Amino acid sequence: AQSVSQHNHHVILSEAASLELGCNYSYGGTVNLFWYVQYPGQHLQLLLKYFSGDPLVKGIKGFEAEFIKSKFSFNLRKPSVQWSDTAEYFCAVNAYNNNDMRFGAGTRLTVKP
Amino acid sequence: EAGVAQSPRYKIIEKRQSVAFWCNPISGHATLYWYQQILGQGPKLLIQFQNNGVVDDSQLPKDRFSAERLKGVDSTLKIQPAKLEDSAVYLCASSLGWGIGNTEAFFGQGTRLTVV
Repeated sequence: AQSVSQHNHHVILSEAASLELGCNYSYGGTVNLFWYVQYPGQHLQLLLKYFSGDPLVKGIKGFEAEFIKSKFSFNLRKPSVQWSDTAEYFCAVNAYNNNDMRFGAGTRLTVKP
Repeated sequence: EAGVAQSPRYKIIEKRQSVAFWCNPISGHATLYWYQQILGQGPKLLIQFQNNGVVDDSQLPKDRFSAERLKGVDSTLKIQPAKLEDSAVYLCASSLGWGIGNTEAFFGQGTRLTVV
């Protein structure tokens, strides 16, 4: 089964700072890639997804992610964060051959106003 | 569109008791997942169903956990007997199934279990 690594456990930024959260996975086959966000007290929600095509995908709220196949990476970016982006972010990898969906440990983002 | 429904939202039990969680996925979704999310960690896949068949239960502690998805719709996850380390949020998610564009998982609110 695939495994997912998120490099940062807790990131603290000031408003308007740029954000990049790392995600790497180990799996040799075809994958679908996702970033989910969990706001305090809420359930997991999809931020963006990659299935095929352009490796740079755009999601909601100004987030984007780039799939680099050679590096097995799918890093999340946002040029300018807002206080409302404070949440926990999870990278997830779906193995195409068996629909197995695995998550990373998550990165807690705190944005200071 | 109705989302994934889970109940109960919260449950407190004593160790060695049993507990059951229920999940109703989005209508038409063939794949159903149960995850365990311990505080401060990412969701850990416990079991994956495709319709009413088990695809992956390699991380399910089968000596105490069981799950079923009768008729390929609703699912229940049971713990018997519970241990202190089972305290976690139990998440249910569903997706359309295999294939490009079908694998986005939609999550329920989760059931927060506290074992005392």
